[in-house]
Amino acid sequence: KAGVTQTPRYLIKTRGQQVTLSCSPISGHRSVSWYQQTPGQGLQFLFEYFSETQRNKGNFPGRFSGRQFSNSRSEMNVSTLELGDSALYLCASSQGDRQTQYFGPGTRLLVL
Amino acid sequence: AQSVTQLDSHVSVSEGTPVLLRCNYSSSYSPSLFWYVQHPNKGLQLLLKYTSAATLVKGINGFEAEFKKSETSFHLTKPSAHMSDAAEYFCVVSALDNDYKLSFGAGTTVTVRA
Repeated sequence: KAGVTQTPRYLIKTRGQQVTLSCSPISGHRSVSWYQQTPGQGLQFLFEYFSETQRNKGNFPGRFSGRQFSNSRSEMNVSTLELGDSALYLCASSQGDRQTQYFGPGTRLLVL
Repeated sequence: AQSVTQLDSHVSVSEGTPVLLRCNYSSSYSPSLFWYVQHPNKGLQLLLKYTSAATLVKGINGFEAEFKKSETSFHLTKPSAHMSDAAEYFCVVSALDNDYKLSFGAGTTVTVRA
């Protein structure tokens, strides 16, 4: 079974731009969660989607948003990019509630 | 409140010697506990998980961890380190007091000397 895939793998943007990241979960998985990883803050939870509904949200500003499609693929969007948004963004999928999460390779975003 | 503390930010071992990565957790509810490994420029790979079954959990690549409720610990061990074990390791907790969201430790970087 194919693992979690994320596109693109690398992105360079400038301050003020917006960006959309994509995540395709493992086949059959209905839950997708997003995390931000930085050297200073470590791994932080952004949000979780299940059956196209946001089920949980972390402590991030409203510039960070996401959505999930009927095929369970998910996108996250960051608007008005700031230098501090430079990070590795990881997506994880699971079969459902409280199930083990499996991570994708991440998208590395650099904001200049 | 739910939290995870990895007691060592960096561990250095010689190839063929044991590895011990220490993790303490805090939760008001029965937790699920995980160890993930992250190799450079890669995502997180699940090593093993504890979900209230056997307290000694065996994972991939020869790793195992023991859940000790009295000590609120979930330490990761491997009897013999291999060069390919050089990576960053994360202890993770999930429980009702945080809506089952994953809480990550700060990570332990493992260096393996030849």
